[in-house]
Amino acid sequence: AQSVTQLDSQVPVFEEAPVELRCNYSSSVSVYLFWYVQYPNQGLQLLLKYLSGSTLVKGINGFEAEFNKSQTSFHLRKPSVHISDTAEYFCAVRGTQGGSEKLVFGKGTKLTVNP
Amino acid sequence: DGGITQSPKYLFRKEGQNVTLSCEQNLNHDAMYWYRQDPGQGLRLIYYSQIVNDFQKGDIAEGYSVSREKKESFPLTVTSAQKNPTAFYLCASSIDGTGSYNEQFFGPGTRLTVL
Repeated sequence: AQSVTQLDSQVPVFEEAPVELRCNYSSSVSVYLFWYVQYPNQGLQLLLKYLSGSTLVKGINGFEAEFNKSQTSFHLRKPSVHISDTAEYFCAVRGTQGGSEKLVFGKGTKLTVNP
Repeated sequence: DGGITQSPKYLFRKEGQNVTLSCEQNLNHDAMYWYRQDPGQGLRLIYYSQIVNDFQKGDIAEGYSVSREKKESFPLTVTSAQKNPTAFYLCASSIDGTGSYNEQFFGPGTRLTVL
């Protein structure tokens, strides 16, 4: 079974600073990887996904993530954050074997961007 | 506009009462999902349905029930047997729950508070 560990529950940063949100997964099979963002009292919105191919994935709002198979990581980065990036971010993993595979979420990282 | 609607956004109920949360999608997706979100816990899968008239238990199904009589609707009933029902409930859907990859799209959520 897959599992996801988001290493930081809260990350405070100043506006225009770079940020990295860390995600490690555990799986014995090949996986698809996702990052979702959740603004307060809203649903989740997909930021980016890794399915195959290039290990550097670019998403919406200037975010990118790098898949590292040897380290089983999929860290999310942004070179310069804005106040509007304040939200909770969830990393998720899903096996590639088809119908029996479920999306497994990490516990989330709350990003707070301060002026 | 295509999307997923959940109603109501906020719901208050007395302890011991059953309550049904609505989830409707007009994306023509086959698969639908219910998640529960608690602070610091990420998302946990309650039930999912890959096709009409069929559904399976997720990781935390005890105290919940669902039905899938129509493709576009997947209501969740929180029964009095659920010991700690106060939470944020998220509904999601994907094109095909049995395919090798399916991005899940999320509704805006319902916050249930049991008094």
